[in-house]
Parts: sequence; structure tokens; C-alpha cells
Amino acid sequence: DAKTTQPPSMDCAEGRAANLPCNHSTISGNEYVYWYRQIHSQGPQYIIHGLKNNETNEMASLIITEDRKSSTLILPHATLRDTAVYYCIVRVGGFKTIFGAGTRLFVKA
Amino acid sequence: DTGVSQDPRHKITKRGQNVTFRCDPISEHNRLYWYRQTLGQGPEFLTYFQNEAQLEKSRLLSDRFSAERPKGSFSTLEIQRTEQGDSAMYLCASSFPQGADEKLFFGSGTQLSVL
Repeated sequence: DAKTTQPPSMDCAEGRAANLPCNHSTISGNEYVYWYRQIHSQGPQYIIHGLKNNETNEMASLIITEDRKSSTLILPHATLRDTAVYYCIVRVGGFKTIFGAGTRLFVKA
Repeated sequence: DTGVSQDPRHKITKRGQNVTFRCDPISEHNRLYWYRQTLGQGPEFLTYFQNEAQLEKSRLLSDRFSAERPKGSFSTLEIQRTEQGDSAMYLCASSFPQGADEKLFFGSGTQLSVL
């Protein structure tokens, strides 16, 4: 699986958009970008994934650059409950999911 | 959908004792994973099953660790002769891959403390 690079931590004001970047410069054409988050003392939770196109669901939006070497997870209106560790993962279908260290997002009132 | 359930939530044991954890996946999910997580780190892959077959084991899974998934339903992870370095959160996840898509659904984990 391709390696991802994420900032170790970020802050965001409550009510503002949280934009979490992820670099995956060695991504292959058949690798998907997945995002999970982990709230303290819970298991990781799936957020969203995509291959080439931008994706949006009820939780977040995923913007993937045209060259697919980086992506951004957007939480449009961050709340205190969005404080968590966010993991960006690239994987090929059929293979196991490997987690990195993620980005610790602090949403502040 | 009752989610993935893990039992127990917490386990305290003395070094040298054996422990066993249980994971009940979402009922229609055919794939089941075990991960281990220490403080400040992301989850580390240990092993996974496709139905009852154990398809891959990490090098992290020493001979003291064994996992089973009889009949392709619940799974158990046993650690024999526990060591203090085994102290961690043990996470179970299940999935139902559809083509290249695979979303993992995690349980809340079992926190193991080895004294």
C-alpha cells in the first residue's frame, strides 16, 4: 500500500470548516483513498472514500487532486464532537487496511 | 445492525497468564480483522479472516498469539503467557467487501493491561 503523510495535529474553531490534508505521492492507479476517524476510547469509524472524483456524504467531503497525489478531507461545520484522530489511508481493493499515525484534530469552542 | 461487539471491554491480568478476547462481527460480514493499538499510535494489523479461513498474519503476531474464527462467525484472540509489552487496545473489525470497496466497521476494543 502507498504511504501517506499527514500533519500530526491541527486546530479548528467550532462552526468553521476543518480541512485535513493528506499527501500520497506514490499512489497507484488502482488505489483508493479512505478516511477514518477515531474518537477517544472508541474504535475507528469509516468516514468516506474515493478513487478519482470528489465525494460527499452526510459526514464530510473528499477532494482528490487531479494527479491523485494528495487529498483533503473537509468537515464543513466542525463541532466539538469532531475532535478525534483522522486517518488517511490508500489501499488496493482486496488488500488489508493499514493505518498510519493520523492527524489529531482539536475543535475549539 | 447491532454493530461489532467485543468482550470484555477491559482486562487486567498478571504477567504469564493466558487471556482470550471475543469479537462478534456484524452478522452478514464475511471478513474479520484484528488490530492492536498502543497509546498515541494508529491501529496495527495483526490478522484477518475470510469466513473461517485465516488469510494473513502479521509478523507482530508471535507464537504466543492465536486467533480463530470457527464457522465463520465470531472470532477469538488468545494470548498465552502474557508479557507487559502485550498491554494495548485490541480492536476487531468486520467488513463485507464489494468489489474493490471495503469499509471496516470496528468494535470498541478490549483494553488489556498486563501487570
